[in-house]
Parts: sequence; C-alpha cells; structure tokens
Amino acid sequence: DQQVKQNSPSLSVQEGRISILNCDYTNSMFDYFLWYKKYPAEGPTFLISISSIKDKNEDGRFTVFLNKSAKHLSLHIVPSQPGDSAVYFCAASEGGNEKLTFGTGTRLTIIP
Amino acid sequence: ETGVTQTPRHLVMGMTNKKSLKCEQHLGHNAMYWYKQSAKKPLELMFVYSLEERVENNSVPSRFSPECPNSSHLFLHLHTLQPEDSALYLCASSLKAAVVGDTQYFGPGTRLTVL
Repeated sequence: DQQVKQNSPSLSVQEGRISILNCDYTNSMFDYFLWYKKYPAEGPTFLISISSIKDKNEDGRFTVFLNKSAKHLSLHIVPSQPGDSAVYFCAASEGGNEKLTFGTGTRLTIIP
Repeated sequence: ETGVTQTPRHLVMGMTNKKSLKCEQHLGHNAMYWYKQSAKKPLELMFVYSLEERVENNSVPSRFSPECPNSSHLFLHLHTLQPEDSALYLCASSLKAAVVGDTQYFGPGTRLTVL
C-alpha cells in the first residue's frame, strides 16, 4: 500500500514554461514533506520542503504548495530550464525525519 | 572528497558470495541511513543509525547486516542474497535523526546485481 503517490511517471515541458509536479498522500499523520531531485548516476538531492503548518514555501524558481484537506502537494518550477531535467521524488515524514516515505518519482524533461 | 560517498558504484555477485557496501560521509552528521530502490518502486528505508546505534530496522531480512563503526562510516554486509535483491542501494546522512526539518543527504548509490 503506497502512502505517497506520484501518478505521473513522466512530464515534458517547454523551456521557459512552468513545470508542475504532483504528489498525493494517504497518511494524514504526515507533517513534513520534501522534494528531491535525482540526476542519472547520482543520489537524490534535497530541493525544497514544507511543514504541514504552512501551505506554501518558495525558494527561487521552486515553490511547493500543500493542500492538507486534499492530501496533495505540488512542486512548481518557473521558468523551467534544461538543467531541471531529472527525476523528482516526493517524500513525507511523520513527527521526525528518520522515516521518509517516498513516491516512485516523476521524470521531468525540459524541451529546449 | 565532500558529501556522501559510496563504494563500489556497481557490484555483481552470486547468491553464495559475501560482499560489503561502504558509505562514508564527510558532513559531520550523526545519523546515517540505508535505502533500497528497486525498479519502478519507491525508495524503501532499510536501516537508521543515530550516533552509531541502530534506531530503525525496517523488517529487513537477516541476509542484510548493517554496521556503523563510527558516525562517518556505514557498511552493509551482504550474504546469500537472492536475485530479487538486485537494486540500487543508497546511503544517506543527516545532522540528527528524528528531527523535523533535518535534511537527508544522499550518496550516489551502489547498483547491485545478484546472479
């Protein structure tokens, strides 16, 4: 039973446009959410996070939105750049970070 | 070298072999983690060590045996593995375990193939 779901395995976006990656979760006890980015042959790298007490967190071109009632979060990248092409993982934790539950990832391709 | 490093990057082993994966972090962190990523599956947490003590064992079979001799090094000893254990094994570290907002930093992973 997957508690964190990324239903789109892949997404292609034109350079300069907005990329929106989605993530749904089922465990209402999750209170901290993270996005990781992974290039081939490298480990995931932390991108941005959000606590359940907020509904939005912004860092440069990256914004994460959290809708607790819908158990949904999304990552917006604007404007999208070719270097953003990677696999993006959504992760969630409950009351601490030692047990991160990950989604299966979405492969984002930015088209020049 | 900085960050989290893992060796070897690729490993092919038979079911009767014994091998070890090594992880080293140069970040001064106190918590280290082993994850497994099988094809088309999410990352699965295997073990968590905090200050060299195992604080989490996520129902992992005994053919996987972790060892954390100090806060900078983490090993995963493998013996009598099965072909379904073939996966990408990722190591991560964080400043402390069980702290909200404490980011985990990942190594590049070891791609393991069991024949």
